[in-house]
Amino acid sequence: GIQVEQSPPDLILQEGANSTLRCNFSDSVNNLQWFHQNPWGQLINLFYIPSGTKQNGRLSATTVATERYSLLYISSSQTTDSGVYFCAVHAGGTSYGKLTFGQGTILTVHP
Amino acid sequence: EAQVTQNPRYLITVTGKKLTVTCSQNMNHEYMSWYRQDPGLGLRQIYYSMNVEVTDKGDVPEGYKVSRKEKRNFPLILESPSPNQTSLYFCASSPGLTWGNQPQHFGDGTRLSIL
Repeated sequence: GIQVEQSPPDLILQEGANSTLRCNFSDSVNNLQWFHQNPWGQLINLFYIPSGTKQNGRLSATTVATERYSLLYISSSQTTDSGVYFCAVHAGGTSYGKLTFGQGTILTVHP
Repeated sequence: EAQVTQNPRYLITVTGKKLTVTCSQNMNHEYMSWYRQDPGLGLRQIYYSMNVEVTDKGDVPEGYKVSRKEKRNFPLILESPSPNQTSLYFCASSPGLTWGNQPQHFGDGTRLSIL
């Protein structure tokens, strides 16, 4: 099946710093999503981004499908950004109902 | 309010005692799915359903059953739970996979402990 790798596994920032999280995938995908899992365990969809660039406030994401990677940018980080960030992909072909997650990036933002 | 509702939120039970975790969505979504989350293993898909009466295995279906008799509900059934099914479970839904922009909406999770 498709492999999804995220980097870095852990990231510690001071409030106000910027960061870039990366997601690599091993095969062509039908879609790619970024999620944030907050400290209470809730999973929130951040972006649906099979290709191109999207922005939502301080967060933006870029997916280069031809090179099989996606980037999540967090600018001017806040303590509320802490948590785990996952990317997840639906593979193409007959397995397009399956969703495969990366292992996640644990982000800690200190005040 | 658009939401995915899971019940129960927490459950402690014993090996072999059948249990069902319910999942309901009020967004008329076609696609629904179950995941388990374990430390060090991330989120893994158990089963998914493209539409009513259509279900398929994810990456870790062993020991689980699902049914999709109506669009809004997608229960997860553990016929004979075992301790290795102790985990945090999430249900999710999305409009469907055939029309492009389809972000998944997650329930708040169900924490199962099987002794």
